[in-house]
Amino acid sequence: GAVVSQHPSRVICKSGTSVKIECRSLDFQATTMFWYRQFPKQSLMLMATSNEGSKATYEQGVEKDKFLINHASLTLSTLTVTSAHPEDSSFYICSARDWTGNQPQHFGDGTRLSIL
Amino acid sequence: GDSVTQMEGPVTLSEEAFLTINCTYTATGYPSLFWYVQYPGEGLQLLLKATKADDKGSNKGFEATYRKETTSFHLEKGSVQVSDSAVYFCALTRPMDTGRRALTFGSGTRLQVQP
Repeated sequence: GAVVSQHPSRVICKSGTSVKIECRSLDFQATTMFWYRQFPKQSLMLMATSNEGSKATYEQGVEKDKFLINHASLTLSTLTVTSAHPEDSSFYICSARDWTGNQPQHFGDGTRLSIL
Repeated sequence: GDSVTQMEGPVTLSEEAFLTINCTYTATGYPSLFWYVQYPGEGLQLLLKATKADDKGSNKGFEATYRKETTSFHLEKGSVQVSDSAVYFCALTRPMDTGRRALTFGSGTRLQVQP
């Protein structure tokens, strides 16, 4: 079946650095990808919707200059956490949907980001 | 706006016990409903889905019925196993023509099955 690959699975870095997370659809074209954030023992909160070839749509309260999203191709979207701080530590999960929009979203395995 | 309400966990059961995890939703129109499962340290996997009223989704012994009259999509399994221990998320998405296709998740329910 369809697979979404997310990389890296875990990142530990110092405060002030920028971190890039990749989300790839491996066997289908994903015109739309979604980025979620999950706090410990809580649900997933949608951060932004990423459409191939256009600007991402951010949810209210999500800083677009902090969380840069690029969706340059039909199989790759990236989330860059710029100048990361400890409060950015979280589990980030991407999902992708095929161009028809008729299939459920397929999720990556998530990236655990820890900022020291 | 859309919302999904799940019963709080953790739910602790003995192996072979019957499982019910309640889920109710609020949404305009006729959303599609999903159950996702998250094993420790992993992303989400689709467990089952239903796209219209009275549909029953089923997979791996789990099932849930889309009840429009009660706006519910309760997850059930007749006999749980230790390997079912995970966090279960109920979710919905709006119909395709609204243009908004992201999932709205419930808070998740942690299931712990003891041998």
